[in-house]
Amino acid sequence: ETGVTQSPTHLIKTRGQQVTLRCSSQSGHNTVSWYQQALGQGPQFIFQYYREEENGRGNFPPRFSGLQFPNYSSELNVNALELDDSALYLCASSLHQGFDEQFFGPGTRLTVL
Amino acid sequence: QKEVEQNSGPLSVPEGAIASLNCTYSDRGSQSFFWYRQYSGKSPELIMSIYSNGDKEDGRFTAQLNKASQYVSLLIRDSQPSDSATYLCAVNEPGGGSYIPTFGRGTSLIVHP
Repeated sequence: ETGVTQSPTHLIKTRGQQVTLRCSSQSGHNTVSWYQQALGQGPQFIFQYYREEENGRGNFPPRFSGLQFPNYSSELNVNALELDDSALYLCASSLHQGFDEQFFGPGTRLTVL
Repeated sequence: QKEVEQNSGPLSVPEGAIASLNCTYSDRGSQSFFWYRQYSGKSPELIMSIYSNGDKEDGRFTAQLNKASQYVSLLIRDSQPSDSATYLCAVNEPGGGSYIPTFGRGTSLIVHP
């Protein structure tokens, strides 16, 4: 059974640029959630995708957008990067819609200069 | 503003002792409650979930929920140095017609030999 994977591991961008982060869900999982974790803070929910549809969104501006593909992998896109977007971005997959029994990937560390 | 509050610690306990971690939440409509463990530089890992008032035990871990007091706790018996990590409390709170996960900022636990 393959766990949740994310790419890239680390990324450095400059303010104003755009970035795409990728996540492959655990085998058999049809739900993917994205979180932002700033240093010393808990993860903040960005949004969830269930069977290719957005299924809930946290308090993030529209420049944070996402996609889920038929194989249930997912992308997080962030436009017009700001310095405060520097964080660890975590993807979590689950077998069912909702937030029970989530399995997190290793994360992507984004630094915005 | 909905909040999940945890003492950031560090909480330091000797090996073999009971570690007690606490969490309070602000929204009385909250449902599912979770404890995650996060080692430094790693992603969160689910260790306990609890949905109804009372205690739930799993090995050395016991989760306790008191909805009237809006309080959830985690007890770790026979603490080991390998339990040293940050423990995140997560609560599914009502939002946008559904439930949205809100994490506390975590409590750092240090178990010393």
